Amino acid sequence: DSGVTQTPKHLITATGQRVTLRCSPRSGDLSVYWYQQSLDQGLQFLIQYYNGEERAKGNILERFSAQQFPDLHSELNLSSLELGDSALYFCASTPAANTGELFFGEGSRLTVL
Amino acid sequence: AQSVTQLGSHVSVSEGALVLLRCNYSSSVPPYLFWYVQYPNQGLQLLLKYTSAATLVKGINGFEAEFKKSETSFHLTKPSAHMSDAAEYFCAVGGKTYKYIFGTGTRLKVLA
Repeated sequence: DSGVTQTPKHLITATGQRVTLRCSPRSGDLSVYWYQQSLDQGLQFLIQYYNGEERAKGNILERFSAQQFPDLHSELNLSSLELGDSALYFCASTPAANTGELFFGEGSRLTVL
Repeated sequence: AQSVTQLGSHVSVSEGALVLLRCNYSSSVPPYLFWYVQYPNQGLQLLLKYTSAATLVKGINGFEAEFKKSETSFHLTKPSAHMSDAAEYFCAVGGKTYKYIFGTGTRLKVLA
């Protein structure tokens, strides 16, 4: 158990819908990263937050947004969903930006039908 | 921009044989190099990390990796494969760009 909690573990929805994925980092970790893992794209970095502020952006679509709240949990919002958004979405945390390893949650598997 | 290349998306070895998974990084030496393992339906777990303290890094489950600056490589090895090693392995770099970049992964199959 990494200490990073992601909900929901599985989610099935239809095209055009909107979903929210939630991540609780390890106790004391200030930095949260979101990744998308799909069969054809591998593990893609989406976005990073540090203590409530956006720190870095990767290959995140405009239909996707994220935020980190004062209690340090983070949410990834995916809207106008397309079939190609079906993937595993991982959250990871570290104690501070760019120091040491990422601790990963078990992921949220999104299926868009 | 930094990138990570893992040679071989699938590797098969016999049980008891040497495991060698290849990883090359680009650009300048990153502060950190990592190997992660992902078992089915699970998140990524850290196997080992390089932080410039030593070029040969030992990790969990008998794995180790050697940092070779001249070859820009950080290959993962294990002397004797076990059935439980079957998983997907990811090489990653971390640096001052505030991004951790992962390779495309190598799926290891261990044959009985």
